[in-house]
Amino acid sequence: NAGVTQTPKFQVLKTGQSMTLQCAQDMNHNSMYWYRQDPGMGLRLIYYSASEGTTDKGEVPNGYNVSRLNKREFSLRLESAAPSQTSVYFCASGLAAAMGTQYFGPGTRLTVL
Amino acid sequence: SQQGEEDPQALSIQEGENATMNCSYKTSINNLQWYRQNSGRGLVHLILIRSNEREKHSGRLRVTLDTSKKSSSLLITASRAADTASYFCATDSGGSNYKLTFGKGTLLTVNP
Repeated sequence: NAGVTQTPKFQVLKTGQSMTLQCAQDMNHNSMYWYRQDPGMGLRLIYYSASEGTTDKGEVPNGYNVSRLNKREFSLRLESAAPSQTSVYFCASGLAAAMGTQYFGPGTRLTVL
Repeated sequence: SQQGEEDPQALSIQEGENATMNCSYKTSINNLQWYRQNSGRGLVHLILIRSNEREKHSGRLRVTLDTSKKSSSLLITASRAADTASYFCATDSGGSNYKLTFGKGTLLTVNP
C-alpha cells in the first residue's frame, strides 16, 4: 500500500502560470481533502470531496479548482498562480467509519515568483 | 478560521521528561484528534477522542478532553529525541464529510 501519493514534490511557477497538483490514494477511502500550510499556521482546508462525484469549498477556496476524477484521484488546479499561493499543499483521504481520521500525503512545496 | 489553538507554541525538554501540550477550541465538537508532523513531512494521526470521552491512552500518549472548558491536552510520557515534531489538534463538528479544523501547532523539541 502506497497510502496517499502526491505529485510533484516541488514546483516553482511564475505569476500567472497554471498547474495541477495530483493526489491519489489506494485505501478505498470515500473522502479526500486538499489543505495548504503556511509558516506558523496550521492546515487550512481548500476543498474537499466527501465522495466520488462531489466537491465542496473549504475555508480558503479562492484561486483554486478541484476535480474528483474517480474514487482514487483528487486533483487541485491553480488557474493563474499568485505569490500568495506560495505554500505547502497536502492531500489527505479519510473514511467515515474511521470517524474522520485522515491520512496525509507527503506534500507539494509550491513557490510562485 | 482556526478552531483550535495549541499552547505552548514551542516546547523544549530533555529526553526522558514528559511533554504536555494543550489545545483550546471555540465551538462544540464531534471529536478531537491529535496529529504529529515531522519536519518537511505529512501529518500522521496519533489519537482520536470522542466528545463523550474524557481520557484516552495509546502507548506513551495520554489525551484528555474537557468539553465544558472546550480544551484538550496531549501528554507524551518518557519522551525520546524521535518525538521531536510539531503537534496539531484538529476538531470536527459532525456531519458525514468529517471536515477537520486544525490549530497552529506546538513545536516540541526533545534534546538528547
